[in-house]
Parts: sequence; C-alpha cells; structure tokens
Amino acid sequence: NAGVTQTPKFRILKIGQSMTLQCTQDMNHNYMYWYRQDPGMGLKLIYYSVGAGITDKGEVPNGYNVSRSTTEDFPLRLELAAPSQTSVYFCASSPTGVNQPQHFGDGTRLSIL
Amino acid sequence: AQSVTQLDSQVPVFEEAPVELRCNYSSSVSVYLFWYVQYPNQGLQLLLKYLSGSTLVKGINGFEAEFNKSQTSFHLRKPSVHISDTAEYFCASPHNNDMRFGAGTRLTVKP
Repeated sequence: NAGVTQTPKFRILKIGQSMTLQCTQDMNHNYMYWYRQDPGMGLKLIYYSVGAGITDKGEVPNGYNVSRSTTEDFPLRLELAAPSQTSVYFCASSPTGVNQPQHFGDGTRLSIL
Repeated sequence: AQSVTQLDSQVPVFEEAPVELRCNYSSSVSVYLFWYVQYPNQGLQLLLKYLSGSTLVKGINGFEAEFNKSQTSFHLRKPSVHISDTAEYFCASPHNNDMRFGAGTRLTVKP
C-alpha cells in the first residue's frame, strides 16, 4: 500500500548544482502537486498537473521545472540550486481536482550550501 | 482571494485536557475546508473535511470541527488529548487549482 513515494529523503547540494526530486503514486490519481514547506509558512504550491502531459505553475514556480509523462510520475527539477531553495518538498496527489483531499508523500529535505 | 489564517502558532496543553485550534477563512463563495495533521518527519494526513451539509464534521482520532459561516471559522476541537496528538496541524482551503494552507499550529501535549 505505497501511496505517494518520494525519493530521496534527504539531500545536500552545492550552490549551482542541479537535481531531480522523484515522485510516484500508485493510486491512479489524475492530479499531482509539488509543495515546499518552510518554517512558519505552511505549504506553498510550486507546480501541479491535472493529467499526463499537462502541467501548470503554482504560487512559487521560479527556479523549478516539472514534467508529467505518465500518470504515476511527477518529477521536480531544480536547475542552478540557490540557498533560497533550502526547504522540505512534498509531493501530493488527488483523484480529481483540488476540492478533494490530497495524499502526501513523506517529503524530501533539501539543503543548499 | 480564498485564504486561511490559523490564529495560534503554538498551543501547549496537558494530557486529557480539551483543545481548540483556530482557523478563519475568507471567501465570498461556497467553501471547502480541510484539516491536516503532520507528525515529525512525515507528510500531511487528512484529519477531516467540510465539503457541504452538516456543519459539524467528525474526523479521525477523535477530532471534530465546526463550520461557522457567520464567523468564517472552521475551528478544530478534541475533548481530551493524548501525548500522541503532539504534531503540527494545518487548515487548508482550495483556491482555483491551488490548495492554500495556513501557517500551521504546533500542538504540544504535556504529561
């Protein structure tokens, strides 16, 4: 009963490096989301997808890119990592739209030094 | 724009005491409201949801919330908390294709 799986759980990057945060779900959900969580700020939406091949920006998309080639996978790419991208990243999914509850992964803790 | 505000950043309580975590929302249209719980080093889990119907919503782990349209509130309550309820709690509401989260309330239950 995997649900939403995120890898890696922890990562340290140097400024200017790039990396991809992986997210996969086995619930056949159409909608998938990437959030970042910063202390005292709640969660902010980075990107979301309503189905394979369709993605759109959320509230804080700058410095990130996404793709959705399959229903199951929704990777998040950081290009030219910056200290401001130090955060905890959560992937989530829901069967239909944002009016339905979301299922969350356990997060990726990313530090940019 | 739809937004949610959690009025308390931290709430310390003793075990077996009642607790209320406060959430206000702003919207001029019908609302959908959620409470999520986050345990340390984990993702968010749904506690309960209000989509329509009865204004008193019961969730998991003995939590409940009341939707109050006149006060634009959706406060979370539990009559008797346990040590295991220590976690961060988030109120949330959708806005277009975005789920807007409050800043969170850290509930600490002391023995």
